[in-house]
Amino acid sequence: AQTVTQSQPEMSVQEAETVTLSCTYDTSESDYYLFWYKQPPSRQMILVIRQEAYKQQNATENRFSVNFQKAAKSFSLKISDSQLGDAAMYFCAYRSAETSYDKVIFGPGTSLSVIP
Amino acid sequence: ETGVTQTPRHLVMGMTNKKSLKCEQHLGHNAMYWYKQSAKKPLELMFVYSLEERVENNSVPSRFSPECPNSSHLFLHLHTLQPEDSALYLCASSPTSGGRETQYFGPGTRLLVL
Repeated sequence: AQTVTQSQPEMSVQEAETVTLSCTYDTSESDYYLFWYKQPPSRQMILVIRQEAYKQQNATENRFSVNFQKAAKSFSLKISDSQLGDAAMYFCAYRSAETSYDKVIFGPGTSLSVIP
Repeated sequence: ETGVTQTPRHLVMGMTNKKSLKCEQHLGHNAMYWYKQSAKKPLELMFVYSLEERVENNSVPSRFSPECPNSSHLFLHLHTLQPEDSALYLCASSPTSGGRETQYFGPGTRLLVL
């Protein structure tokens, strides 16, 4: 069975600085997708960024980028120029490409605080 | 209204009550999900429906009973719950087939069982 681990329960970053959230996963599959979701306090969970395992190039979405190391099964999220609105729980997630429906396995989450 | 909606947003119930949570998606998706989110624990997948047919049940106690009458609506019927069932219950939807698409979440129902 696949597992997702986030070793940092809480992190903080100064506004405008850069922060990296860690995620490791375990799987025997070769084809899968990885995601970072953001859940602001009392608000809806939304997708931040996704990565296809077959792509070597790291995904980027504006201030958010990932460092995907397939051999190491590592998938970290870098947030540049942190803003107050980035404060949230961040969940790393894994989805197999071998199922016909979207079963996603989530990590325990990292709570990010942004200091003004 | 767009996206995924859930009602009620907050619910307090006694252990002998029967209540239902409702989820509605306006995205044209064919798969819907119930998750349980407890404090300091990963999201737990409870049920998966694809094309209105249950495809996965992660050993959820029978006091939770899902219903998917059509691809746009999903219910979670609650009966004789326990205090440890207090949590945020999230609904999500996605296209049926695999691919780059991912899940879209509703805002959740915050449930407190007394």
